[in-house]
Amino acid sequence: GENVEQHPSTLSVQEGDSAVIKCTYSDSASNYFPWYKQELGKRPQLIIDIRSNVGEKKDQRIAVTLNKTAKHFSLHITETQPEDSAVYFCAASPRPITGTASKLTFGTGTRLQVTL
Amino acid sequence: DSGVTQTPKHLITATGQRVTLRCSPRSGDLSVYWYQQSLDQGLQFLIQYYNGEERAKGNILERFSAQQFPDLHSELNLSSLELGDSALYFCASSVAYTGDNEQFFGPGTRLTVL
Repeated sequence: GENVEQHPSTLSVQEGDSAVIKCTYSDSASNYFPWYKQELGKRPQLIIDIRSNVGEKKDQRIAVTLNKTAKHFSLHITETQPEDSAVYFCAASPRPITGTASKLTFGTGTRLQVTL
Repeated sequence: DSGVTQTPKHLITATGQRVTLRCSPRSGDLSVYWYQQSLDQGLQFLIQYYNGEERAKGNILERFSAQQFPDLHSELNLSSLELGDSALYFCASSVAYTGDNEQFFGPGTRLTVL
């Protein structure tokens, strides 16, 4: 099955700096890569996702890049703000085969702390 | 608010007991996923149901079981509870049964086993 590794486990940046979180996956059939943000005591929420037919996707201060050859994808947050402090999870899901289910496999999470 | 509801919010029980966690998916979503999140741990996939049928299984213990009812709400049953079962249990819903769709998470049920 799919295995997703995520680094670093903790990351501390100063407000205004950029943060980068990296994930690698093992299943070359994976084609959907979402990122979820989980604030303390809250539920995970999708912040951005990318599919394998795209190399990069941006949404304001957040971007995700995908390298299918190397089987890794990264989350980039620019101009970080205190409200970006949270745990971030990457995930991967294989291309669905008609009639069968496929599941998301999550990374172990990165705790991002944005300091003033 | 994701539209996914979970009850109860908190549950405190003793070892050896049995509990039931309940989840109602977003309107229109047919798929329900259950996850376990232990302290400072990631999200461990337990099981998925789609339109009443089990579709995918993860690292779910034999002491745990789940089902999805005709109205699409789902219940996760945890029996013979152990201290190590203490965790936050999330359910999530999505429109389809494949993993390449956004999953909307509920607020979670925090289970404490004493």
